[in-house]
Amino acid sequence: DGGITQSPKYLFRKEGQNVTLSCEQNLNHDAMYWYRQDPGQGLRLIYYSQIVNDFQKGDIAEGYSVSREKKESFPLTVTSAQKNPTAFYLCASSSRQEQFFGPGTRLTVL
Amino acid sequence: QQPVQSPQAVILREGEDAVINCSSSKALYSVHWYRQKHGEAPVFLMILLKGGEQKGHEKISASFNEKKQQSSLYLTASQLSYSGTYFCGTERFLNSGNTPLVFGKGTRLSVIA
Repeated sequence: DGGITQSPKYLFRKEGQNVTLSCEQNLNHDAMYWYRQDPGQGLRLIYYSQIVNDFQKGDIAEGYSVSREKKESFPLTVTSAQKNPTAFYLCASSSRQEQFFGPGTRLTVL
Repeated sequence: QQPVQSPQAVILREGEDAVINCSSSKALYSVHWYRQKHGEAPVFLMILLKGGEQKGHEKISASFNEKKQQSSLYLTASQLSYSGTYFCGTERFLNSGNTPLVFGKGTRLSVIA
C-alpha cells in the first residue's frame, strides 16, 4: 500500500536535546512538507522541499532543520534552539496538486 | 495570506445540512478541503481547480467561485461520522503545482444524534 509514514507516533524530549522526526513516502511524490499544529490551531509551514537535495524555509523555520537526500525521505530535526517545540508535527507530500498527510508525530518537551 | 473560514463552529443534528465557507484576499488557482478528527491527521476530501466544475464526495460537495475568491463546502444529510474540524487550504504560489498550502483556522463541526 502506498502512503506516508511518520515515526515515532509520540516523542518526549528533555529541554536542550535535539530530536529527529522521520517521514517516509512511497507515493513517488516529488514534493514533501512539514507543518506544525498547536492545540486548537491551524497548520503552519515549517519547511518544504519540491525536489531532492533542495528545500526552503516556511513561516516558522527557526529552531528546525531538514534534509532531502532521497526522494522518499524528509526528516525534520527539532533543535534546542526551538523555544516551544511541544506540538503535533505533520508531514505531507504531493504530486502536482493533491497533498496528503502522514499520521503525525506528537512531540512533548518535559 | 491566510484564508478566512466561517463559521468557526457549528452544531448539527443528524440529517441536517451545513455550509462551510472559505474566502481569500488574493487570486486563487485551487482550493483544498480537509477533515481532521480529534488527535488524527487531516484527511484529504477534495481539490477544486480554477475553471473546474463543482465536485462531490459522497454527500459532501464543494464549489469554487474564482471571481469572488471563495469556496464553499456543502454537507448534506449529515452523519455522526462527519464530526471533526474542516480546513480549507490555498496554494502559496499561484499557478504552481507542488506548492505548500496556507490553511484557514478551521471550522469545528459537531453532529449530534
